[in-house]
Amino acid sequence: NAGVTQTPKFRILKIGQSMTLQCTQDMNHNYMYWYRQDPGMGLKLIYYSVGAGITDKGEVPNGYNVSRSTTEDFPLRLELAAPSQTSVYFCASRGTRTNEKLFFGSGTQLSVL
Amino acid sequence: AQSVAQPEDQVNVAEGNPLTVKCTYSVSGNPYLFWYVQYPNRGLQFLLKYITGDNLVKGSYGFEAEFNKSQTSFHLKKPSALVSDSALYFCAVRLYSGNTPLVFGKGTRLSVIA
Repeated sequence: NAGVTQTPKFRILKIGQSMTLQCTQDMNHNYMYWYRQDPGMGLKLIYYSVGAGITDKGEVPNGYNVSRSTTEDFPLRLELAAPSQTSVYFCASRGTRTNEKLFFGSGTQLSVL
Repeated sequence: AQSVAQPEDQVNVAEGNPLTVKCTYSVSGNPYLFWYVQYPNRGLQFLLKYITGDNLVKGSYGFEAEFNKSQTSFHLKKPSALVSDSALYFCAVRLYSGNTPLVFGKGTRLSVIA
């Protein structure tokens, strides 16, 4: 059971480039989330989804897009990368039967230079 | 709106001594409260939660937390700290009902010194 898998683990982008951060889970969880972690700032919610075909903005959605075409996958798209998007990105999921427990991926460290 | 405050950026404690990591919350309704731990270069791991019932909640690795409604606090405690407890600890909250996502505090770095 792999849990929540994120790829890539590390990436360096140039300003203005685009990329997709992949997140997949094999636990059949309905709820999926994208957070970014900046030093001393904790985790900020970017986008979340309560099921396939349903997404909603979090606290810091600007500059990002998501889709949820399947239960398993929840990719995060960065368009026109900016230095302010340099961060560590975490994907997480939970199911209706996990009693509120979130399962996190190992993160993607992104630098925009 | 819901929010969490962790007033200490850093907590230092000697190995074998009790530890406390503080958390206060604000939510308009009954809260779900959580503690997560993050080890270097890893994702967050669930430690414990309070949803309802006993105010003292026991979790993984000997940690516990006490829900105090009057003080809107949910402090994390352990009777005897280990060097291996050194990590970044996050408190989180969400509303009891609905699908609102977790809101995390900014984290407290715990250093246990041998």
